[in-house]
Amino acid sequence: EDKVVQSPLSLVVHEGDTVTLNCSYEVTNFRSLLWYKQEKKAPTFLFMLTSSGIEKKSGRLSSILDKKELFSILNITATQTGDSAVYLCAVNQGAQKLVFGQGTRLTINP
Amino acid sequence: NAGVMQNPRHLVRRRGQEARLRCSPMKGHSHVYWYRQLPEEGLKFMVYLQKENIIDESGMPKERFSAEFPKEGPSILRIQQVVRGDSAAYFCASSPEFYEQYFGPGTRLTVT
Repeated sequence: EDKVVQSPLSLVVHEGDTVTLNCSYEVTNFRSLLWYKQEKKAPTFLFMLTSSGIEKKSGRLSSILDKKELFSILNITATQTGDSAVYLCAVNQGAQKLVFGQGTRLTINP
Repeated sequence: NAGVMQNPRHLVRRRGQEARLRCSPMKGHSHVYWYRQLPEEGLKFMVYLQKENIIDESGMPKERFSAEFPKEGPSILRIQQVVRGDSAAYFCASSPEFYEQYFGPGTRLTVT
């Protein structure tokens, strides 16, 4: 069965800390891995990764994919209270179906 | 460029009634996807449509659920004879060809 597993499920840190969120996957077909941030509404797109070892960066967020070990990490440096959200990892198996992990709930305390 | 639009944002139905959820994709996007999110769970794929075609409905329950994306107008997810277990947030996403999917704000369905 195809699955995407995120860890930790929940994380509480202080403002200014750096966090690393993990996503491992086992799927029959792999086209790309995507990260989304979900606050109280729509998941908003962060990154799409297709190649191993190439870091994608956007401000304080960065992500990298390891296709040999079947995982990805999402790093957030100098966290702010506005980073508090559920972070979702999803794998596109081709045919456009996204398989989502259960999410990591990140809470940043001031 | 407006994002993915969904309506209604909140929908309350009694058991046995029908629910119709609408999704207008982003301008220029011809691919539409529906996902369901139960409380404290991740999103689960339901169906993938292009204009007038269902491409993949492997995540859709076999009974009571149907989806369409007509040539004109929004995509519709229809749930007949709703039951309490249908209560969830239903998200629509769209994409241009095979790129990242952009999500709408969701419709929160409550069945009483």
